[in-house]
This record gives sequence, structure tokens and C-alpha cells, in this order.
Amino acid sequence: DVVMTQSPLSLPVTLGQPASISCRSSQSLVYSDGHTYFNWFHQRPGQAPRRLIYKVSNRDSGVPDRFSGSGSGTDFTLKISRVEAEDVGVYYCMQGTHWPHTFGQGTKVEI
Amino acid sequence: QLHLQESGPGLVKPSETLSLSCTVSGGSISSPNYFWAWIRQPPGEGLEWIGTVSYSGDIYYSPSLTRPVMISADTSKNQFSLKLSSLTAADTAIYYCVGGPWGLRFGPDYWGQGTQVTVSS
Repeated sequence: DVVMTQSPLSLPVTLGQPASISCRSSQSLVYSDGHTYFNWFHQRPGQAPRRLIYKVSNRDSGVPDRFSGSGSGTDFTLKISRVEAEDVGVYYCMQGTHWPHTFGQGTKVEI
Repeated sequence: QLHLQESGPGLVKPSETLSLSCTVSGGSISSPNYFWAWIRQPPGEGLEWIGTVSYSGDIYYSPSLTRPVMISADTSKNQFSLKLSSLTAADTAIYYCVGGPWGLRFGPDYWGQGTQVTVSS
């Protein structure tokens, strides 16, 4: 399986300040069609995860533009330009290039 | 907008078989290019992909799962199901049914609320 390694695993943040989470994959996530199937999810306590970013840098509908994704190959980053209270929870990276699809361990973001 | 709802027992004994179903509303599980899957999350841990069934009935199992597993789809009920055998305490988790297009390579667009399954005698 492709191993997805996130850092840090715990991220204390300050409201209004930027935050960044990294994810590294054990293999390149470039698929044979040239696309990179790398995604970010956010999970609040007691809720199912919700996708924020797909294909590295595309924000889902309704996701605030303070969230941005970047990266290529095996190294990817999620940035929050100014953290708001609703951003707390656990963030997961996920790859859909290789089977089985796999997630990172999660990064817990707390104020 | 699709809605997914898991159903099944909350408590299962070790060595027994877990049977879960996911009812999809707001669309057909046979919709072209749509894929459906089971993902689980042990308490306090991350997310594990169990397997996927396509709109045409093709099934893909994660080779990482060490238990006998079977996923099936019933188009007449607009449901897909999971059977996981030889359960141990390590199978205690929240089980999510999910769905989305393009082989779920973008990750699931739609998630059920999740159902807690506890394996205990």
C-alpha cells in the first residue's frame, strides 16, 4: 500500500494566524493519465469527514478561499491563510492514484 | 444530492460475521461512472478503505484487509452491502458507506453518517 505520512500530527494554532500541514506519499501520485489524485479532508468531532480539496489544489464548493492546496509527485501541503474557530478538527490527506486508496494518519488542529 | 444511510448491528461477537447495508437515496447506484465504498475508522484512529463496488457491479477489495470480506450491490433496493467475517476486537470501528464518481479517485463526495460497530462477547 502507498503510505501517506502527515506532519505534524498535532498542530496548535492561533486564531487569525496561518497554519500549514504537510503530507508525503511513499510513491509518486501521478497517475497514468497525467493527473495527480491527491485530496484533503476535514473531520470535526462526531462527524463524517468532508472533502476540502481534490486533485492537489481544487477547492470543493463552499470551501472558504483561506484553504489552499499545493504540491506535486510525493510532497503536498495544505495551507490555511487565517485560522478561524470552525477550522478545528482532524485533517486527512488521501491518495486515489493507487489501489487501495489510502489516507494519512491525520493532523489534529486545535486552538 | 445523494443521501447514504448505513444500517446493521451495533454489537457483534468475536468470530462472527458483520453484515452492514447502505441505502442510497436521491440517485441510483447504477448511475454511470458512480462508485460506492466502505471505509472504517477505529476509535481514535485514522481511516481505512475496505473495498469498492462500481456502478456496473465490479468489486475491488483492499488487499490489506486480513479478514474475509464481501461487498455486494442490490440495484432493486438501491443498496450496497458489506460482510466481514471472523471478527476480532480490532474490527471495532465506525463504518462509513461512501460514494462518488471517477472511481472515487477524488475521494468520496458523499458519506453516510457512520455506524458504530463494537466486537465484544
